[in-house]
Amino acid sequence: SAVISQKPSRDICQRGTSLTIQCQVDSQVTMMFWYRQQPGQSLTLIATANQGSEATYESGFVIDKFPISRPNLTFSTLTVSNMSPEDSSIYLCSVDRVGTGELFFGEGSRLTVL
Amino acid sequence: DAKTTQPPSMDCAEGRAANLPCNHSTISGNEYVYWYRQIHSQGPQYIIHGLKNNETNEMASLIITEDRKSSTLILPHATLRDTAVYYCIALNNNDMRFGAGTRLTVKP
Repeated sequence: SAVISQKPSRDICQRGTSLTIQCQVDSQVTMMFWYRQQPGQSLTLIATANQGSEATYESGFVIDKFPISRPNLTFSTLTVSNMSPEDSSIYLCSVDRVGTGELFFGEGSRLTVL
Repeated sequence: DAKTTQPPSMDCAEGRAANLPCNHSTISGNEYVYWYRQIHSQGPQYIIHGLKNNETNEMASLIITEDRKSSTLILPHATLRDTAVYYCIALNNNDMRFGAGTRLTVKP
């Protein structure tokens, strides 16, 4: 199994500010995924981040609001920009380490926007 | 991706088998069926996946109907620690979208 570390684990932020969430994997992976999970809801895929190319965003998510970096095969960041209370969620990083669809997830970053 | 439908919630007695159904009637021939679960406040955990044949591992069994339009995840001896939300996904090409899932509550 892959070990995935996310930072911060939780944060409380003010409206209008931005927060960058880091995802570190203990092995090289091609595909990384960022999800959002709002309170009491299922996971919603934000984007797929492959090293060496632009992230692919799902419908309803745009790069200006959720810029993603993928500088190498073990690291990615997701920034939540110009936050509003509606952005309060858990943000999860996941990887498909072996290319089989078996995803490994980080423990998530719980964001509260006041 | 094929859309999946699952009952929103189920209960199961501790020690009994938990059978969680999933309908994926629009699944295509190259889409696998994956099951994940999410225990409260944790990231989702992979359980099992299959294409056509039934599969079994140390966590669960997966029964896929011959026409592949539905499947059942079986936890043979449910414990209180199996209380979680269980997600069934039908996918290919690593398009990882989750549905609403089934909230399984295992009761003593």
